Amino acid sequence: EAQVTQNPRYLITVTGKKLTVTCSQNMNHEYMSWYRQDPGLGLRQIYYSMNVEVTDKGDVPEGYKVSRKEKRNFPLILESPSPNQTSLYFCASSLDRGPTEAFFGQGTRLTVV
Amino acid sequence: KQEVTQIPAALSVPEGENLVLNCSFTDSAIYNLQWFRQDPGKGLTSLLLIQSSQREQTSGRLNASLDKSSGRSTLYIAASQPGDSATYLCHPRGRNAGNMLTFGGGTRLMVKP
Repeated sequence: EAQVTQNPRYLITVTGKKLTVTCSQNMNHEYMSWYRQDPGLGLRQIYYSMNVEVTDKGDVPEGYKVSRKEKRNFPLILESPSPNQTSLYFCASSLDRGPTEAFFGQGTRLTVV
Repeated sequence: KQEVTQIPAALSVPEGENLVLNCSFTDSAIYNLQWFRQDPGKGLTSLLLIQSSQREQTSGRLNASLDKSSGRSTLYIAASQPGDSATYLCHPRGRNAGNMLTFGGGTRLMVKP
């Protein structure tokens, strides 16, 4: 089954403790992206990747890092999480930057206390 | 930068009504436009994808139209049901790399039995 898989689905952590949210897709997609979703602010793009080893900042990249060493994986790294990073995070992928469909993971609900 | 506006932000209707959700976007250089459904705290489910060369797409009780030149799309829901209650998100897929995955703020729909 074609899908985008995020892990973990739920995470509660403490301020400053490094964490990684994984994202994997099995559709050989080139384009992958991370979003955060907050009440009243909608979906905002954090980082995106056009292909392996090619990443770029979205609208709200501060406090986040990403890497794209393999085509299928696009982890989101929070080196020193803070409470304002408490949010619902989504990973998305699409075949390329052309007229193709976007697929989303089921989301990761992160709480930083 | 692409700006996407969805009107109304929230809508509450009795079961059986026909509905129109509106989406407008500022950059008409798009490959396609996708409508998603999101249940509270859940992931995004793709409903319809309209390519830039198309005027409309239909799936069951859903019909989406696209007027690319004027930067507008509408999602028509016929004979609404309580199970349609969700947030509906519009996503014009931009041709510019930074605008590829931009979302509207969504329309939160409540259909009352």
